[in-house]
Amino acid sequence: DGGITQSPKYLFRKEGQNVTLSCEQNLNHDAMYWYRQDPGQGLRLIYYSQIVNDFQKGDIAEGYSVSREKKESFPLTVTSAQKNPTAFYLCASGPGQHQSSYNSPLHFGNGTRLTVT
Amino acid sequence: AQSVTQLGSHVSVSEGALVLLRCNYSSSVPPYLFWYVQYPNQGLQLLLKYTTGATLVKGINGFEAEFKKSETSFHLTKPSAHMSDAAEYFCAVSEMDDYKLSFGAGTTVTVRA
Repeated sequence: DGGITQSPKYLFRKEGQNVTLSCEQNLNHDAMYWYRQDPGQGLRLIYYSQIVNDFQKGDIAEGYSVSREKKESFPLTVTSAQKNPTAFYLCASGPGQHQSSYNSPLHFGNGTRLTVT
Repeated sequence: AQSVTQLGSHVSVSEGALVLLRCNYSSSVPPYLFWYVQYPNQGLQLLLKYTTGATLVKGINGFEAEFKKSETSFHLTKPSAHMSDAAEYFCAVSEMDDYKLSFGAGTTVTVRA
């Protein structure tokens, strides 16, 4: 069964610590995305990657970092520089520009809820 | 650049009543429009999408949406609400050659018995 797996579902960290959120997909999608969700603000794009070894900043990239070493994986690191890291983080994938399907919907994982105290 | 406005952050309906969720977009080129649903602590699931062609789009779970270019709207409706429709709904837009989705702030639907 194809899909996107995010782990862990819940994550707790102390302020000042970096933390890495995992995202794996087996949909053979070129493109992967990280969104942050806060109540009343919808989803905001953090980073996205259209192809392996390449990624771009989204609207709220400050305090975050990513890597794309494998097609299937797109981990997100929330660094200590992120001023307000407590949020629900959603990973998504899609065909992307190299698979020429710009009108295809994104597929989402079930999210990771990060709490930093 | 595109953007999305969802009118009303909360909508409450009685079971069996019409569900109407409003979405307006701004885009400099013909948009691609999507509605997603999110149940608590889960990811987003696609309800329906408009790309080209017929302006009335049918989706899953009895939902449909109509693309009105003159009004820059893509409102979501369901004739008869069910308790299982209680969730948060997001409207999203993308443009040709832009592989990112921009989301509205979301509308939470509660269904009264």
